[in-house]
Amino acid sequence: GAVVSQHPSRVICKSGTSVKIECRSLDFQATTMFWYRQFPKQSLMLMATSNEGSKATYEQGVEKDKFLINHASLTLSTLTVTSAHPEDSSFYICSARLLNTGELFFGEGSRLTVL
Amino acid sequence: GQQVMQIPQYQHVQEGEDFTTYCNSSTTLSNIQWYKQRPGGHPVFLIQLVKSGEVKKQKRLTFQFGEAKKNSSLHITATQTTDVGTYFCAVTGNQFYFGTGTSLTVIP
Repeated sequence: GAVVSQHPSRVICKSGTSVKIECRSLDFQATTMFWYRQFPKQSLMLMATSNEGSKATYEQGVEKDKFLINHASLTLSTLTVTSAHPEDSSFYICSARLLNTGELFFGEGSRLTVL
Repeated sequence: GQQVMQIPQYQHVQEGEDFTTYCNSSTTLSNIQWYKQRPGGHPVFLIQLVKSGEVKKQKRLTFQFGEAKKNSSLHITATQTTDVGTYFCAVTGNQFYFGTGTSLTVIP
């Protein structure tokens, strides 16, 4: 199946710093990628839909200026958590949709810990 | 975003028992997908249902889409320890919204 690579898998940062997470579709082009946040033992909460070459579509309640999304190419989307605080600590997962089947392929996820 | 409820939230079964999780939406769905997430892992696609009343099988797994396309179910026959994980339904469109999930524990 298609492969989505997410990096880094784990990151620990100090409060107030920014962290960038990369999501790459390795063997297919993805015009649309999705970013999710998952708390322990909870479901995946859609944060935003990343569209190649245009602005991301954010879900209600998600701060655009805090969670910056850039989808500069058909294979790369990035999520930058700006001025991170401890409450931003979470598991962030990206996914890309395979156009011909519609199924989502997920990255391995990035566990962010803000001290 | 879209509200999709799943029941039960948790299910513990003895190995060999059957398991069913239900996904319910307040609105009519164009299609629905099912994913499995193992502990510590990321979700993996299982299947997509599109047609009203559709039933699909994958070995011991049976997926059903309701006639009104507002609900769906996943049934596992004779569970095995490898079935452990959280099962999510996902409603698709321009965005993908995941159900609340059902965490399955299989007791050997």
